[in-house]
Amino acid sequence: DIQMTQSPSTLSASVGDRVTITCRASQSISSWLAWYQQKPGKAPKLLIYKASSLESGVPSRFSGSGSGTEFTLTISSLQPDDFATYYCQQYNSYSPLFTFGPGTKVDIK
Amino acid sequence: QVQLQESGPGLVKPSETLSLTCTVSGGSISSYYWSWIRQPPGKGLEWIGYIYYSGSTNYNPSLKSRVTISVDTSKNQFSLKLSSVTAADTAVYYCARVYYDILTGYYMDVWGKGTTVTVSS
Repeated sequence: DIQMTQSPSTLSASVGDRVTITCRASQSISSWLAWYQQKPGKAPKLLIYKASSLESGVPSRFSGSGSGTEFTLTISSLQPDDFATYYCQQYNSYSPLFTFGPGTKVDIK
Repeated sequence: QVQLQESGPGLVKPSETLSLTCTVSGGSISSYYWSWIRQPPGKGLEWIGYIYYSGSTNYNPSLKSRVTISVDTSKNQFSLKLSSVTAADTAVYYCARVYYDILTGYYMDVWGKGTTVTVSS
């Protein structure tokens, strides 16, 4: 099974900061990676799919990059609404199962 | 726009079967995959499984022996059954639409609000 890791597990940042979260897969998943944002008590929200494609309606300060086994989610200028937990999710065509990363919590510094 | 709503008992006894239904409104259940995901209190997301509208399924290997996902296209609903539950199955359960195409792969683009299920006697 493909395992996903994220770093850091917690990130303290200030409004206006540039924030980068890393997601790693235990084997190559090409570009089959999505990113989700979850706020307390709410359902996750899709931000990015296929590693770098921005979901409709998501602010352009969010961007994704990477392929193979290493991926990043970047928030170019952190806004108050962005304090949340972020999860990556992989899909591999050879083993059509989904796996989420453990999450990265972005909190106020 | 498509909306999803989970429904079912909020309390299930240990060793019994958890049963939840997700109702799809504002769109058809056809031509999509549909998934269940859960989140234990204070923990991360765990994918449970998905079903295609035609009925084909795929489950998380760690839950496969206890999970059944089914679909009722006439009611625009899909359902989750998880047998032999224990306290470890206490979680918020989400249903979600899985978008797929050959160029973008699979991802969950529409989510229900979630329903809390507690396993306790």
